[in-house]
Amino acid sequence: EAGVAQSPRYKIIEKRQSVAFWCNPISGHATLYWYQQILGQGPKLLIQFQNNGVVDDSQLPKDRFSAERLKGVDSTLKIQPAKLEDSAVYLCASSFRGTWDEKLFFGSGTQLSVL
Amino acid sequence: AQRVTQPEKLLSVFKGAPVELKCNYSYSGSPELFWYVQYSRQRLQLLLRHISRESIKGFTADLNKGETSFHLKKPFAQEEDSAMYYCALRDSGGSNYKLTFGKGTLLTVNP
Repeated sequence: EAGVAQSPRYKIIEKRQSVAFWCNPISGHATLYWYQQILGQGPKLLIQFQNNGVVDDSQLPKDRFSAERLKGVDSTLKIQPAKLEDSAVYLCASSFRGTWDEKLFFGSGTQLSVL
Repeated sequence: AQRVTQPEKLLSVFKGAPVELKCNYSYSGSPELFWYVQYSRQRLQLLLRHISRESIKGFTADLNKGETSFHLKKPFAQEEDSAMYYCALRDSGGSNYKLTFGKGTLLTVNP
């Protein structure tokens, strides 16, 4: 089966600029996750969607980060304006139903560098 | 709050030696524990989960609720086991299924 697709693979921007990442989950997967992975740390959940509704966005810095999944399929994550500390790998993942016992399928990630 | 601790950032062993990657957790609810692995230039992927009670690639992990641990073990390490390993926790009893990761342990298996 096709995996989780993410683009772009790399992005370099200056602070205060805006940036957007795109994710297409595995076909049929209802749950979509965005994780932020700062160098040397484990992935941290930013937002979790169930179809096109938000299940958890408690760790999303809402003053600068936004995400949407309008048709319950692909999703975009935006940062506006970016800060130096946003430099990280942004991982998208999906799972079939989002239950506690399911495994997550991860994309290759987008590596963001904010200068 | 969910918390996962992996005390070792780096672990280096020789091929054929036993390996144990430590994972401790803190959670007051009903935890479900996972190990995810990321090989060089590959995506993060599930290695094994507690509920399945399975052995994958020779690895096993036992949930010890008394010690709040879920250590990953393999009796004889292989060079292809070199990778980044993440322990992760999810609540199995409530409606919040957020998956929380530890910081990871980089395992290097030397020839």
